[in-house]
Amino acid sequence: KAGVTQTPRYLIKTRGQQVTLSCSPISGHRSVSWYQQTPGQGLQFLFEYFSETQRNKGNFPGRFSGRQFSNSRSEMNVSTLELGDSALYLCASSSTTGPYNEQFFGPGTRLTVL
Amino acid sequence: AQSVTQLGSHVSVSEGALVLLRCNYSSSVPPYLFWYVQYPNQGLQLLLKYTSAATLVKGINGFEAEFKKSETSFHLTKPSAHMSDAAEYFCAVGDQGAQKLVFGQGTRLTINP
Repeated sequence: KAGVTQTPRYLIKTRGQQVTLSCSPISGHRSVSWYQQTPGQGLQFLFEYFSETQRNKGNFPGRFSGRQFSNSRSEMNVSTLELGDSALYLCASSSTTGPYNEQFFGPGTRLTVL
Repeated sequence: AQSVTQLGSHVSVSEGALVLLRCNYSSSVPPYLFWYVQYPNQGLQLLLKYTSAATLVKGINGFEAEFKKSETSFHLTKPSAHMSDAAEYFCAVGDQGAQKLVFGQGTRLTINP
């Protein structure tokens, strides 16, 4: 079974631009979560989607948004990029919901904002 | 709110020595706890998880962790370190009401030959 895939793996943008990151979950997984990883703040939860609905959202500004499609693939968008948005963005999928269901992580998209 | 504290941002051990990575949690309800490992330029891989079935949890690659409610701890151990264990390790607690993980700051493990 293929793992979680994220595209692109690396991205360089300039301040003020917007960016869209893509995540394809493991086949059959309906829950997709997004996390931001930075050296200063560590790993922080962005949001989670299940059956095309955002069920939970972390403490991030409205510039960060996402969506999920009927095939469970998910995208996240960051508008008006700031230097502080430079990070590794990780996507994780899970077969069912619940606090102890394993989340399988993708390799991440490394975003650099210049 | 749930939280996790990992004691020691860097741990260095010799090959063959005991590995001990510390994690303490804060949770008002019985926690669901996880240890993940991250190798350079990769995502996170689950090592093991605690879901209240047993206090001593065995994971992959020879790692295990013991849940101690009285100490609110979930330390990760491995009897004999291998060079391939060099990585960053994250302890996390699962949010009861959401498919959401709250992570500790991570511990970078270095193995000396």
